[in-house]
Amino acid sequence: QKEVEQNSGPLSVPEGAIASLNCTYSDRGSQSFFWYRQYSGKSPELIMSIYSNGDKEDGRFTAQLNKASQYVSLLIRDSQPSDSATYLCAVTLSGGYQKVTFGTGTKLQVIP
Amino acid sequence: NAGVMQNPRHLVRRRGQEARLRCSPMKGHSHVYWYRQLPEEGLKFMVYLQKENIIDESGMPKERFSAEFPKEGPSILRIQQVVRGDSAAYFCASSPRGTGGLTEAFFGQGTRLTVV
Repeated sequence: QKEVEQNSGPLSVPEGAIASLNCTYSDRGSQSFFWYRQYSGKSPELIMSIYSNGDKEDGRFTAQLNKASQYVSLLIRDSQPSDSATYLCAVTLSGGYQKVTFGTGTKLQVIP
Repeated sequence: NAGVMQNPRHLVRRRGQEARLRCSPMKGHSHVYWYRQLPEEGLKFMVYLQKENIIDESGMPKERFSAEFPKEGPSILRIQQVVRGDSAAYFCASSPRGTGGLTEAFFGQGTRLTVV
């Protein structure tokens, strides 16, 4: 089982809709969870971090964490064509070094 | 506070030459990660280092590739005798000490290596 799993997509949503991106992880002891956005040809950019169960909102983005079910999701409200990118889920593994591990990413396409 | 700095941004090497990629982490960050990304593919973990220590090199090819993060200076990813298959974008990320929630990793702009 991969440490962090994401559906590769592409996920296509119409402009103005809610995009829902999901991620599951295998390490039950993980404590820190992140979402990154990567535009084609660019480096990944941190957009959200979440550390406790529940929802965390930042503008049009909401991160949701459920440690019991070992999943973390990212909702993008009022999706815009500029949100079209690959979204990477990252998880800090338990253990002394707390290594950050990435999923392979979900490609999001927002259709005008 | 400067971000993660990678240089060079673009590097062209002939087959058989050596490539040296540099990464200066953000101030206060002691963890460095190196990733490789081929076009239209995801990030592939290569190596995870702390100052003067290689913590996890499970993603690094056994031959030709090496990495270091000395006490002073940037982290270096070194590729000896490059081949065309080494052509990729190499990203470095850094994070603070892994205590509490202080594990957010930030990426540099990457080095795009082209082997001709």
